[in-house]
Amino acid sequence: DAGVIQSPRHEVTEMGQEVTLRCKPISGHNSLFWYRQTMMRGLELLIYFNNNVPIDDSGMPEDRFSAKMPNASFSTLKIQPSEPRDSAVYFCASSPRGGRGAGEAFFGQGTRLTVV
Amino acid sequence: AQTVTQSQPEMSVQEAETVTLSCTYDTSESNYYLFWYKQPPSRQMILVIRQEAYKQQNATENRFSVNFQKAAKSFSLKISDSQLGDTAMYFCAFMKHEETSGSRLTFGEGTQLTVNP
Repeated sequence: DAGVIQSPRHEVTEMGQEVTLRCKPISGHNSLFWYRQTMMRGLELLIYFNNNVPIDDSGMPEDRFSAKMPNASFSTLKIQPSEPRDSAVYFCASSPRGGRGAGEAFFGQGTRLTVV
Repeated sequence: AQTVTQSQPEMSVQEAETVTLSCTYDTSESNYYLFWYKQPPSRQMILVIRQEAYKQQNATENRFSVNFQKAAKSFSLKISDSQLGDTAMYFCAFMKHEETSGSRLTFGEGTQLTVNP
C-alpha cells in the first residue's frame, strides 16, 4: 500500500482565497484524522471521521474550516476564506479498527500551507 | 478528556549513549493505547513504539523500549545506543480503545532530541 497520500505538499495562497487540502487514507482503514501543526500549538486534532462519519469536530477552529469524507477513500479539508494565521502544516492520518495495527495512526507527509 | 504531558521540551545525548524521554497522561479510561512517534526534519510522523494498556509487559522495538507504569500514568521512552539518525522531535500520544467507533489520538507537546557525535 502507498500509505496515506496528501496533496498538495505545499500550498501558498493569498489571504481571502479558498484552500482545499486532500487526503487519500490507507485502504481498509476505518478512521481518518485531520491535524494541524504549528510551533505555538503543537499538534492539534481538528476533526476525525469513523466509517466516513464525522465523530468529533470540536477542534475545528471556526466556521471558515470544513471537512468532508464523501467515501472511504477520500477526504477534504477546506478553508474559506483563508487567513495568515491558518499557515501551518496540516496532516491527515488513518487508522484501522481491528487487527495488529489497531489504534495506530498512519500519517501522510503533510501539506505545508502558507497564507500571505 | 485525556491529556498528555511531556515536560522536557529539549534533550541531548551523546552518540552511543542511552537517553530516556518522559511522558505522563491523564485519563479515566481503563483500556487504551499509548504511542511514541518520531518526527525528523522531513516532518514525516513515524511510529516508534506502541503499548496496549492491558498488557503489563513493556513494549520493545530494537533499541527502543518503554517503561509503562499504569498506576502512575507514566509512559517513558528509552533509546539505547543512540544514533545520529535518532535526532528528531518525539511525541507521546494516547488513544482510547473503541470497539465500534474511532477514537481521537491525543498528542503531547513533544521533546526535541538531539544526538551529538
